[in-house]
Amino acid sequence: GAGVSQSPSNKVTEKGKDVELRCDPISGHTALYWYRQSLGQGLEFLIYFQGNSAPDKSGLPSDRFSAERTGGSVSTLTIQRTQQEDSAVYLCASSLVVAREEDNEKLFFGSGTQLSVL
Amino acid sequence: ILNVEQSPQSLHVQEGDSTNFTCSFPSSNFYALHWYRWETAKSPEALFVMTLNGDEKKKGRISATLNTKEGYSYLYIKGSQPEDSATYLCAHAHAGGTSYGKLTFGQGTILTVHP
Repeated sequence: GAGVSQSPSNKVTEKGKDVELRCDPISGHTALYWYRQSLGQGLEFLIYFQGNSAPDKSGLPSDRFSAERTGGSVSTLTIQRTQQEDSAVYLCASSLVVAREEDNEKLFFGSGTQLSVL
Repeated sequence: ILNVEQSPQSLHVQEGDSTNFTCSFPSSNFYALHWYRWETAKSPEALFVMTLNGDEKKKGRISATLNTKEGYSYLYIKGSQPEDSATYLCAHAHAGGTSYGKLTFGQGTILTVHP
């Protein structure tokens, strides 16, 4: 597709259940990021992929959170045993980083998954 | 400044007014400053990425300036229109970070332009 695609757009789940959030980045973008925005907070970095590897997972808030990327394309963020504090908008972004050049460093965001944990 | 701070938190202006917002960020180990516009029910959209002190960028009626020595950036909108209503986010990339896109975001400035 032309842009970053995320699914589902909305997810309501019960506390303790596992959820999977999907991101399909722009074709050819090697860098992929997950961010989240909790109520009243700024966007918070979760994890960065370069190709299929994740050199920076420093933003994942607990070991209940994991992510993978396959084929240098689609990524899945999994949250196990969801808690109410996991409720947030989860945003995926991709970028084309060929060389150090300002326009290449712009992030292209999806429209997010609104996760509500009851 | 340890975090990225934006002011004001929200702003209401009339159509045709010009307006500006401020972003403050850590001046040490600076790599880049990003501005994004996030309209309700849409994806955040990149406006500018700036890396050089003194840089000034323009896109239509929107422009931005950057002062890396003192750690601030201004975003200006000339002749605001209702379609400019959105949350404007700035984000800082730290030199020595693992990637260009690992950003620390401010909480945003919510702009409402009244017809």
